[in-house]
Amino acid sequence: EVQLLQSGAEVKESGESLKISCKGSGYDFSSYWIAWVRQMPGKGLEWMGIIYPGDSETRYSPSFQGQVTFSADSSLRTVYLQWRSLKASDSAMYFCARWPSFVEPLDYWGQGTLVTVSS
Amino acid sequence: QSALTQPRSVSGSPGQSVTISCTGTSSDVGGYDYVSWYQYHPGNAPKLIISDVTERPSGVPDRFSGSKSGNTASLTISGLQADDEADYYCCSYADSDSVVFGGGTKVTVL
Repeated sequence: EVQLLQSGAEVKESGESLKISCKGSGYDFSSYWIAWVRQMPGKGLEWMGIIYPGDSETRYSPSFQGQVTFSADSSLRTVYLQWRSLKASDSAMYFCARWPSFVEPLDYWGQGTLVTVSS
Repeated sequence: QSALTQPRSVSGSPGQSVTISCTGTSSDVGGYDYVSWYQYHPGNAPKLIISDVTERPSGVPDRFSGSKSGNTASLTISGLQADDEADYYCCSYADSDSVVFGGGTKVTVL
């Protein structure tokens, strides 16, 4: 069974760093893109970008380029989403999702990680 | 890339049908037959219910159906059930190997 398990909720202060994770199981982890998706409070889903765990190739949505960093550790079957300096506006739910290919849907999703940043 | 436009909410009584629209542009919805729909019960992982405009993944009831005309895709839920009360998001492949989501529609079962 394909599963994506995300790390737990985080409460941070503005200016702090943070790294959240998404661990895959039940499939060839290195061979599927992982997408990161943001949902701000009361808002819709936003595409942040993707990472390919096999070679850590990353592609960022222009809105998130330079704001976050994606990374992967294939040996741990885990991808990460990282901030160097959090802002209150980073408060959101963050989802990871498996993306088989650019013309296929996001077929499996993690349960989400809630990030709360206080100013 | 601007978000796809969805109604904020739709509602219907059990057994009725509701349709959710998803309007984009020729750079996304209108340009590709790669529209998908997701059901989201807050606290759970979003669930894929329609792919490639009309395709239902295994296990998704045939009460859920998708269609597209021009720059607008639609999701229809027939025979509305209490468990269908959720948020629904459309999603489209877009130019330059990107993806764009709709703003989400809350379905209320009266």
